[in-house]
Amino acid sequence: EVQLVESGGGLVQPGGSLRLSCAASGFSFSTYYMTWVRQSPGQGLEWVATIKEDGSETYYVDSVKGRFTISRDNAKNSLYLQMDSLRAGDTAVYYCARDSYSEGVDDWGQGTLVTVSS
Amino acid sequence: QLVLTQSPSASASLGASVKLTCTLTSTHMNYAITWHQQQPEKGPRFLMKVDSEGDYTKGDGIPDRFSGSTSGTERYLTISNLQSEDEADYHCQTWATGIRVFGTGTKVTVL
Repeated sequence: EVQLVESGGGLVQPGGSLRLSCAASGFSFSTYYMTWVRQSPGQGLEWVATIKEDGSETYYVDSVKGRFTISRDNAKNSLYLQMDSLRAGDTAVYYCARDSYSEGVDDWGQGTLVTVSS
Repeated sequence: QLVLTQSPSASASLGASVKLTCTLTSTHMNYAITWHQQQPEKGPRFLMKVDSEGDYTKGDGIPDRFSGSTSGTERYLTISNLQSEDEADYHCQTWATGIRVFGTGTKVTVL
């Protein structure tokens, strides 16, 4: 059974930093792209960032470029999202998702809440 | 520009059927999409992938009541024999090199 478990969310002040983690199990982690998706209160799903299987390429939505960094450790079956220079508009539930270029997003974690507020 | 369009809401009676639409632009009419269900106060759940030929592949444990189809730039999700637990938001998603895109979601109400 595929399991994706996010952690690291919390309350942070504007301008602050936070690092999200996603622990993966139940599938061959190193053979999948991985993606972060967020959902602001009352809003739809928004793609944030994607990383290739071996970490050689990363992609970001324009609103987080230069502030967020996606990374992975295939030896630890873990995905990360380093979030710097956080803004109120980054407040959202952040989901880790399994992804592949042939199949798209096909599994989700339960999400972790990030609140940016003074 | 890779964009997905969804109607904001749909409704149908208990036991009836509802057909949701996710529309690609003509430039991207050969793209596959995925459908995801999000029940109230829960995270998303993968339902299926629908390709440009109308073939669909469902996730584990997704009931037979859920099916997918295609017509041109439109990708459909049909829910038959609507149940109360089907009341949820339904999101479509597509992808290309360097980008992932979600539609704005359709809220389904079971009457």
